[in-house]
Amino acid sequence: KAGVTQTPRYLIKTRGQQVTLSCSPISGHRSVSWYQQTPGQGLQFLFEYFSETQRNKGNFPGRFSGRQFSNSRSEMNVSTLELGDSALYLCASSRIDRTDTQYFGPGTRLTVL
Amino acid sequence: QKEVEQDPGPLSVPEGAIVSLNCTYSNSAFQYFMWYRQYSRKGPELLMYTYSSGNKEDGRFTAQVDKSSKYISLFIRDSQPSDSATYLCAIGKGGSQGNLIFGKGTKLSVKP
Repeated sequence: KAGVTQTPRYLIKTRGQQVTLSCSPISGHRSVSWYQQTPGQGLQFLFEYFSETQRNKGNFPGRFSGRQFSNSRSEMNVSTLELGDSALYLCASSRIDRTDTQYFGPGTRLTVL
Repeated sequence: QKEVEQDPGPLSVPEGAIVSLNCTYSNSAFQYFMWYRQYSRKGPELLMYTYSSGNKEDGRFTAQVDKSSKYISLFIRDSQPSDSATYLCAIGKGGSQGNLIFGKGTKLSVKP
């Protein structure tokens, strides 16, 4: 069974730009969560989607948004990029009856210059 | 007080040693406990998960949970250089609360 895939793997953007990251969950997994990982803060929860609806949201500004499609694929968008947004963005998927066991993709490394 | 505390290390051990990694958490509402391994420039890989106090064993890995003390541990027996990675503990409430709370991670180095 294929794992979680994320595209692109690397991105370089400049301050003020916006970016869209994509995630395809494991087949059959309908819950998708996004996390930001930085050396200083570690892994922090951004949001979770199930059935195209945002079900949980972490403590991030409104510049961070996401959506989920009917095939469970998900995208996250960051608008008006700041230097502090440089991070590894990780997507995780889980079965809806087992949201405790989440499987992560390789991540998208975003660098904001 | 942070919800999950984990000693960041780094931890360096000789090959074959027993490794003990630990986390503490503050909220008894958390019912699910996971350990992830993350190699450099990779996503976290789920190693172990458990829902109850006690031990769970999988090969060289043992996860231990003490809910009364809010303390979770991961033991690695006969450690190998390939175990060198960052180990992250994670806790969750499960159900509709799909977000996990992660420790900062402990960087482990196993020397041949």
